[in-house]
Amino acid sequence: AQSVTQPDIHITVSEGASLELRCNYSYGATPYLFWYVQSPGQGLQLLLKYFSGDTLVQGIKGFEAEFKRSQSSFNLRKPSVHWSDAAEYFCAVGALLGSQGNLIFGKGTKLSVKP
Amino acid sequence: EAGVAQSPRYKIIEKRQSVAFWCNPISGHATLYWYQQILGQGPKLLIQFQNNGVVDDSQLPKDRFSAERLKGVDSTLKIQPAKLEDSAVYLCASRGGVGLNSPLHFGNGTRLTVT
Repeated sequence: AQSVTQPDIHITVSEGASLELRCNYSYGATPYLFWYVQSPGQGLQLLLKYFSGDTLVQGIKGFEAEFKRSQSSFNLRKPSVHWSDAAEYFCAVGALLGSQGNLIFGKGTKLSVKP
Repeated sequence: EAGVAQSPRYKIIEKRQSVAFWCNPISGHATLYWYQQILGQGPKLLIQFQNNGVVDDSQLPKDRFSAERLKGVDSTLKIQPAKLEDSAVYLCASRGGVGLNSPLHFGNGTRLTVT
């Protein structure tokens, strides 16, 4: 069965520092992978996705993620964090169901940013 | 375009009472999802509709939860009777195209507290 593991529940970084959020997945075939961000009281917003091709994916707000099949990982990175990046981040793997698709989410990593 | 609309934003009820949540997806979106997000967890799929038909309800606790999308547009999720463990944010999402390549749009959710 498909699953997603985000090992870090809470991460604190200083503003301007680099960021890496970890994500490991379990999936039998080539996965569809996603990163979403959720600010308090808001729904989820898509940051980026990987379906195939180049394993380094660029997203919105300066985020990028790298798919590493050998490590079953899809870690999210940002070179310089801004205070507005404080939020909760969810990694998800796409599960195909017929012609439709569902997402299986990890438990999330809460990011705090120190001034 | 208008986003996914959900109401109410917040609801507090006592256990054994019933409650209903409403979702209006983005216009023209055929696929609609209800997710349950318990505090500290990622969203978990409850039910998926394609137009007014159910695609997947395998994780819906059918003894107390029900959902409908009668005209293939807006949807209602009901809990009757509620239990303490139903306290969560209920997210509605919709997708316009077919499959995982089509973006998933989330509403801001309804936060349910069961006392």
